[in-house]
Parts: sequence; C-alpha cells; structure tokens
Amino acid sequence: GQNIDQPTEMTATEGAIVQINCTYQTSGFNGLFWYQQHAGEAPTFLSYNVLDGLEEKGRFSSFLSRSKGYSYLLLKELQMKDSASYLCAVPNQAGTALIFGKGTTLSVSS
Amino acid sequence: DTEVTQTPKHLVMGMTNKKSLKCEQHMGHRAMYWYKQKAKKPPELMFVYSYEKLSINESVPSRFSPECPNSSLLNLHLHALQPEDSALYLCASSQDLKGTEETYEQYFGPGTRLTVT
Repeated sequence: GQNIDQPTEMTATEGAIVQINCTYQTSGFNGLFWYQQHAGEAPTFLSYNVLDGLEEKGRFSSFLSRSKGYSYLLLKELQMKDSASYLCAVPNQAGTALIFGKGTTLSVSS
Repeated sequence: DTEVTQTPKHLVMGMTNKKSLKCEQHMGHRAMYWYKQKAKKPPELMFVYSYEKLSINESVPSRFSPECPNSSLLNLHLHALQPEDSALYLCASSQDLKGTEETYEQYFGPGTRLTVT
C-alpha cells in the first residue's frame, strides 16, 4: 500500500525560507504531488515530480529522490499568505486516484 | 475555464433527510472524484468516476450514493446520514485517470460543508 509521512506543523517568519519534508513508501511509483490548502478552502496544485531532482516554480521548488523515498517542498521569501496546510500526495497503487499525507500546517508570522 | 463548482456551499441536514450535493466542471475532464475531509485531516477518497462510470468505491457506506448523469456533472446523494458524516465534501476532476502529469493533476472544487444534526 501507500504510506506518506510529513511533519504536522511548522512555523517561520516573513521573508524566510522553509523546507517541508515528505517521506513515502509506495507499491510502484507514479510521481509525487504537492498541494496547498488554505483553511476552509479546496486544495490547489503546486507541483508534480516524477524524476529525481529539483523543480523550481517561482518562490516554490520541489525536490524528489526516488531511491530514498523522499521529497521536499521549498518555499522562499515567505509571505503571510503562505500560511496554509501543505499536502504531499502520491497516486494509489492502481494509479487511479491520489492518496494524501496528513498535511503540514505552516504558520508564517511577521 | 479551470473551475470546478460545487453546490451548496453549506448544508445542514437531519439524520432522516435526503439531500444531494452537486459538482460541475466544463474542462472536458473524463475523471471525477468525491473526497471527504474532516477538520485538520487530509482529503480521503470516496468515489472515482471515469468516463461516467464508477471506477472506484472506497468501501463507502451505502447512505452515500454517487451519480454521474453526464461527463460534466457529478452528484452525491445523501440519505440517513450520521453526525460523524459531518465534514467538508470535495469534488475534483482530472483529464483522465492514468498516464501523465496532466492526467493526474486534480482540480478541486470549493467543497460543501455538511453538518448532520
């Protein structure tokens, strides 16, 4: 089956850099997703990694190491609006739906 | 248009009521999903429809009954719910079920906040 682990909570200050880690165990691998979810809102897509390495998209970057079963989401130049839950997700074994980790709640303070 | 819409936004129902949640997308996506999300928990998959046919039912109780009338619409019929069914119900769609990044990337609706009294 699929198992995903990520920290429950993190705090940081405006302008800082924060790294949110995710480790996973999967039967087969079809890529790893990061979603952002603000309180009371729907998750929104941030990134998808299927090959090893770093993918950069503006202030957000995502890294994957398939051999280590490890990914991280890097947020630079933090802003207050980045306070949200960050969900790591992998497709299920059949590749037909996403299995989400418990999410990391990031609080950004001034 | 990259929007998934859901109605109603909020719903309060008694345990003997029958109600329906509605979801709509006009992106031409062929896969649609229902997720249930409790407070401070990740979304949990309930149902997956692919090409208007039920593809996955994650052992959801029969008091939840999904329906896909056409490729743009997805309903969730609710009957005889329990207070523990109170949650945020999220609908999502993706281009297809398998294959590339495009097929896996799911677009979520804003959700229906359901309270069962």
